[in-house]
Amino acid sequence: SAVISQKPSRDICQRGTSLTIQCQVDSQVTMMFWYRQQPGQSLTLIATANQGSEATYESGFVIDKFPISRPNLTFSTLTVSNMSPEDSSIYLCSVPLQGHYGYTFGSGTRLTVV
Amino acid sequence: AQSVTQLDSQVPVFEEAPVELRCNYSSSVSVYLFWYVQYPNQGLQLLLKYLSGSTLVKGINGFEAEFNKSQTSFHLRKPSVHISDTAEYFCAAGSEKLVFGKGTKLTVNP
Repeated sequence: SAVISQKPSRDICQRGTSLTIQCQVDSQVTMMFWYRQQPGQSLTLIATANQGSEATYESGFVIDKFPISRPNLTFSTLTVSNMSPEDSSIYLCSVPLQGHYGYTFGSGTRLTVV
Repeated sequence: AQSVTQLDSQVPVFEEAPVELRCNYSSSVSVYLFWYVQYPNQGLQLLLKYLSGSTLVKGINGFEAEFNKSQTSFHLRKPSVHISDTAEYFCAAGSEKLVFGKGTKLTVNP
């Protein structure tokens, strides 16, 4: 199965600033997914990133707040913009397993906004 | 719309005891079902998945789950747990996009 390298693993940021999270996959994948896991909560899908097209955002998430880039089939970034303490969460990227039966996840980025 | 309900937010058990973590799903269409484990300060690891066929699915680390269509359940079981099984377990459903339950924290005590 694909191996995902996600960085940074954690960061502490000042409110009002932005953080860009990177995910590198060791094989080419069509779709990449970005999730948020708020403290004590489950995972919520932010958006689906397809190479060569605009990301598709889920209800409650907007491009101005979470811009996504997908320059090629092995790489994607998620930016958390104009951060507030409510953005403190773990952010994870995910790609489908070969055959599209299941998904593998990056190790996550633990973000704390102060 | 799909939804996933994990009935227990926390499950404490003693080492070598059996455990069952409960998961119910709702969906108007056939879905794939998954169990993931998240160890402290780590990402998610796939434990097992149900796609079709046999309703009893075996996964890694001695875990298994049974798909029950009539009860719309996909409970996770292990006959004898270890301290190292202490983690959070997430049930998920979906095909292209996954919907996750809220998670169950399993704590295995000596």
